[in-house]
Formats: sequence, structure tokens, C-alpha cells
Amino acid sequence: DVKVTQSSRYLVKRTGEKVFLECVQDMDHENMFWYRQDPGLGLRLIYFSYDVKMKEKGDIPEGYSVSREKKERFSLILESASTNQTSMYLCASASGAFSNYGYTFGSGTRLTVV
Amino acid sequence: SQQGEEDPQALSIQEGENATMNCSYKTSINNLQWYRQNSGRGLVHLILIRSNEREKHSGRLRVTLDTSKKSSSLLITASRAADTASYFCATDDNYGQNFVFGPGTRLSVLP
Repeated sequence: DVKVTQSSRYLVKRTGEKVFLECVQDMDHENMFWYRQDPGLGLRLIYFSYDVKMKEKGDIPEGYSVSREKKERFSLILESASTNQTSMYLCASASGAFSNYGYTFGSGTRLTVV
Repeated sequence: SQQGEEDPQALSIQEGENATMNCSYKTSINNLQWYRQNSGRGLVHLILIRSNEREKHSGRLRVTLDTSKKSSSLLITASRAADTASYFCATDDNYGQNFVFGPGTRLSVLP
């Protein structure tokens, strides 16, 4: 069964900390995505990547960076966590023809910044 | 970027009833997808419908697409308590690169 694994289900961090959210997929997908989900706002795209070492900004990249050193792993980095980054973070992956098949999502990481 | 908007925001029905959720979008699309999200979990892909398709079925799910009205509907027949979840539509963005998700419909199926 195909899988996207996010390293943590729940995370509590302090303001100003550097936070790493990890995502690993086992489907050999080219495309990977990071979203955040907030009540009433739906899913908003932070960053995405079409290939190793490639990254593209989504709709809300401010305060975040990403790393994709290997095809299967896409990391989201909060350089200096702030309370307004408290949210549910969702990672997704998709094949090259993802417009035909859709995304596979991980279970999400609920991050609380205190 | 364009966005699908689901309607209603929330829906409560009794087990065994049918549930209908709607999605409207702003600009032309290539594909539209529906996803389900159980509370506190990731999204699960349900069904994809292409712009040249009008209707698609998958088990108890029926999706329709009306490109002239820029709208889609998701029908769940004979609902079960396990169908309780949020449902999202997603449309490809103006550049055909990514999918943009609406805010979702929260469905509650009461036993």
C-alpha cells in the first residue's frame, strides 16, 4: 500500500525555535507538497517540489523553507517558529501525471507553538 | 489563484439518507477531485473527474460536473456513520500545476 509518512503526529515547540517537519513517501513520486490547514481557511500551499533539489513557493511561503535532497524526502523548516504558525501541516505526494491521479496525503502533523 | 468553494459548510443527516455536497469554481479546469478527511487526519482521495466527463461513480459515491456552470456535486448514497468527515473539492490552478482546495463541507451522519 502506498504511503506518505510524516514523522510526528503532534509537536509542541517554543517561539523562536527552528522546527523541522519531515515527510517521506515510498511511491517514487516526483512531486511533493506541503500544506497548512486552518479552520475556515482550508488547505493553503506553502511549498512544493517537482524534483530533487527543486522547490517552488506556494501561496504562503513566508516564514518557511524546504529541503529536498532525496526524491523520497521533503522537509519543511520553520526558521524561527512563531505562534501564528500553530496549525495542522499536511504533506502530499503525487506522480508526474498527478493531474490524472490526485495526491496521496500523510496523516498530518499538528504543531503548537507556545 | 482560483479556488473551489464547497456548499454547504456543514451538513447533518440521518444514517441511510443521501448526502449532497456542491463545489463551485471560478475559471476553466482540466480536472476536479474530491477528498475526504476524517477528524485530525490527512486527506484521502475519493474520485477525480475530467473536464470532458459529466458523471462518475465509485461505490456509493456519485460525482457530477457541469463545466458550463462551473460546478460539481458529490452525492453519497445510503450514508453511514463512518461517512462522517469533511469533504473537499480540489481544482487545478490557473497554471495547471497544482490543485487548489476549497474550505470543505463538514458532514455528520447521525445513527
